[in-house]
This record gives sequence, C-alpha cells and structure tokens, in this order.
Amino acid sequence: DAGVTQSPTHLIKTRGQQVTLRCSPKSGHDTVSWYQQALGQGPQFIFQYYEEEERQRGNFPDRFSGHQFPNYSSELNVNALLLGDSALYLCASSPGTGVRQPQHFGDGTRLSIL
Amino acid sequence: GENVEQHPSTLSVQEGDSAVIKCTYSDSASNYFPWYKQELGKGPQLIIDIRSNVGEKKDQRIAVTLNKTAKHFSLHITETQPEDSAVYFCAPPLFSGGYNKLIFGAGTRLAVHP
Repeated sequence: DAGVTQSPTHLIKTRGQQVTLRCSPKSGHDTVSWYQQALGQGPQFIFQYYEEEERQRGNFPDRFSGHQFPNYSSELNVNALLLGDSALYLCASSPGTGVRQPQHFGDGTRLSIL
Repeated sequence: GENVEQHPSTLSVQEGDSAVIKCTYSDSASNYFPWYKQELGKGPQLIIDIRSNVGEKKDQRIAVTLNKTAKHFSLHITETQPEDSAVYFCAPPLFSGGYNKLIFGAGTRLAVHP
C-alpha cells in the first residue's frame, strides 16, 4: 500500500520562474493539504483541497495556487519565484476533512531558488 | 488563531533514558492532538495521536498524555534508542468552517547518545 508520493524530490529554479509540484495521496484518501517547511522550522499550512476545490488557505500570497484532480492527486504551482520560496514543500493526505482525521505526509520536494 | 509552543527545543539523552517533550496550545476547542517524527531528508511521520476524551495513550515505548484544563499535551519516550534521534513536532489542528489545518510547533531536536 503506497503512502503519499511527491515529485520531483529536488528542484532548482531561478528567481522569477514558475514551478509545479505534484502529489499522489495515500490510497483511500481524498483530501490533500500542502505545507511549506523552511530550514529549521515547523511546516506552515499553505492550502487544502477536497472535492477538487480549495477549501482553506493559510497566509500565503496568490502566487501560490493549486489544483486537485478527479483521482485526488494534486499540484502546487508557484509563480514569480522569490529567493524566500526556497523550502521543503510537503504534501499531506487524509481520509476526509474532519479535524480528527490523521494527516499522512510525503517526503517532500526540496525547492532551491538561485 | 492557534498558538502552539513546544519545549524543549533540543534534548540530549543517553540510550536507555526517558525523554519528555511538552506542547502547549491556545485553542480550547482543540480535540485532537498528534505527534510527528521527522528524520533527516524525510517528511513528518505520524507516530501517535490522542483524542480529547482520553487522558493517556500508549504504543510500546511511546505515550502521549493530555491535560485539557492546562491546555498542554506531552510526548513520552521510554528506553530511548539511537534510532529515536530525530526532530519531533506537535501539531494540533485548527478547525474552521468544517475544514482543518495542522498548526506545527517549532520542533524538538532529540539526540540519543549510545
């Protein structure tokens, strides 16, 4: 039973470019959340997708957008990349949106901005 | 919003000793309390969680205790082993409008020395 998978594992971009990160949730999970983890810090919530719609959003600018597909997989897009966007981007999936539904994480995409 | 504080930030123990990490939260409506372990180069792994109607939960060498009155919950690791070395995060979810997002503490770096 595959867990949460993310691709690519590493990515290097330059300022001003755009990037797309991908996530496949754990089997049986229909809700996907994205988090940003800066070096030495805890993950910060970006947004959550359920039934192909963004349901909740953290304190991130509109440069961060996403999408969820009918098979529950998801993409995170970041436009006009800044140096400060360098971080580990984590995807988490859960079986529903309830507060007691445990969220399971992938190993993330390490994004470096030059 | 939810304010989460985690102590200590670093913890160094000898193999076989016990380790305790405390997490304090601010949202009195919180009713689900997970702990995550993050090893180098990996995503956070859910290791134990507790619901608000339970005061303590154990899983082999790991336990979580909850004090809802004081709004804190703690992770207890007994008989520590070198493979317990990692960063540990508490992440009580903030529930809003039917959806939830995890609010991570700053993390505790645990080092277990042989």
